[in-house]
Amino acid sequence: GAGVSQTPSNKVTEKGKYVELRCDPISGHTALYWYRQSLGQGPEFLIYFQGTGAADDSGLPNDRFFAVRPEGSVSTLKIQRTERGDSAVYLCASSLDVEPYNEQFFGPGTRLTVL
Amino acid sequence: DAKTTQPTSMDCAEGRAANLPCNHSTISGNEYVYWYRQIHSQGPQYIIHGLKNNETNEMASLIITEDRKSSTLILPHATLRDTAVYYCIVLINGGATNKLIFGTGTLLAVQP
Repeated sequence: GAGVSQTPSNKVTEKGKYVELRCDPISGHTALYWYRQSLGQGPEFLIYFQGTGAADDSGLPNDRFFAVRPEGSVSTLKIQRTERGDSAVYLCASSLDVEPYNEQFFGPGTRLTVL
Repeated sequence: DAKTTQPTSMDCAEGRAANLPCNHSTISGNEYVYWYRQIHSQGPQYIIHGLKNNETNEMASLIITEDRKSSTLILPHATLRDTAVYYCIVLINGGATNKLIFGTGTLLAVQP
């Protein structure tokens, strides 16, 4: 079946611009996660949705970052006033979120480059 | 969540077993050990997880020491396609978020 998809696969933008990154989770998965990965590092947690609500946004680095999941499926990560330090691969994952098992299925990521 | 320590890199000959160690000396009684791997330019992929018993699936085996302070992921017959960064993660199942805290992992290079 279809896995997690993310669009666009690559995004190049200029410093100060606004960007939106989209994630389509696996159908039926109630949990959705955003991570970002800088070169040479492991992925870093940003935010977790259970259904439509953000259950944990403790990883968002500042108020320029915002994410929504209005209908409990597709999610959009929004970054305002982008900075060069925002350049990274942004990964989305989804899971069934049932105890005691937590297998997160990751998408291929969106590579964001801020010039 | 407990922190983990892994070697930065390891080599393995194709066809041989790859044994990847992980230390998690501060693990709590209700924390599971998870392993994910990330092949170059792809998202991470779940491999296996366990609490205290050894586990095996079609991809790998997970050996957890009796005191649960360390574990070893075993790929029984490594292939070139197993070259990847392997992450050992501990977390509480059914916790508030189940967010994965990745370290820098072990880069496994399978040599022909």
